Amino acid sequence: GNSVTQMEGPVTLSEEAFLTINCTYTATGYPSLFWYVQYPGEGLQLLLKATKADDKGSNKGFEATYRKETTSFHLEKGSVQVSDSAVYFCALSENSGGSNYKLTFGKGTLLTVNP
Amino acid sequence: GAVVSQHPSRVICKSGTSVKIECRSLDFQATTMFWYRQFPKKSLMLMATSNEGSKATYEQGVEKDKFLINHASLTLSTLTVTSAHPEDSSFYICSASRVAGNPYNEQFFGPGTRLTVL
Repeated sequence: GNSVTQMEGPVTLSEEAFLTINCTYTATGYPSLFWYVQYPGEGLQLLLKATKADDKGSNKGFEATYRKETTSFHLEKGSVQVSDSAVYFCALSENSGGSNYKLTFGKGTLLTVNP
Repeated sequence: GAVVSQHPSRVICKSGTSVKIECRSLDFQATTMFWYRQFPKKSLMLMATSNEGSKATYEQGVEKDKFLINHASLTLSTLTVTSAHPEDSSFYICSASRVAGNPYNEQFFGPGTRLTVL
């Protein structure tokens, strides 16, 4: 079946440091790829997405490129802030039959940014 | 916009009792709702998908008689854990999407419900 593997962390960085969170996937078809973020005490929010190979998703300074050749969707940010501290989930979307689509998540990576 | 709430946020119950968790889309109509379970240091595991007015579709290995899902309206879905046992203790998260069948449509997530069964 489909699966998502991401670095488990935790990741601790100083403010303004460069961030990379690796994500690779296994899929039988051509999934859409997502990064979700969960801030403390809140629900998951969509951070960015890419729907086909070579697409780059970007939002709030974060970027990720859909690399079909390496089956990867690594999350990057050039300069992190304390407010970026959260848990980040990589996910893929696949057709689960009929008109239903479902998300398969990685295990999540806890990011802590210190001032 | 696109806010999803869950109630209760935390519940503690005795073994053998049933617990109902509500998931509401507050400012949009949710044609599809999803229920997930999250274990410590584990990813979210999809339990079931429900479309309004029809029976839920359960993932393999999820007991439909144990986890009853109702999606009777476009703004409310409920998950009932029947005859709960300590192994059912977990973090349950729901999500909702506006349009069924759109693979790029965003799922909006609730804040989750922590269930502890004594």
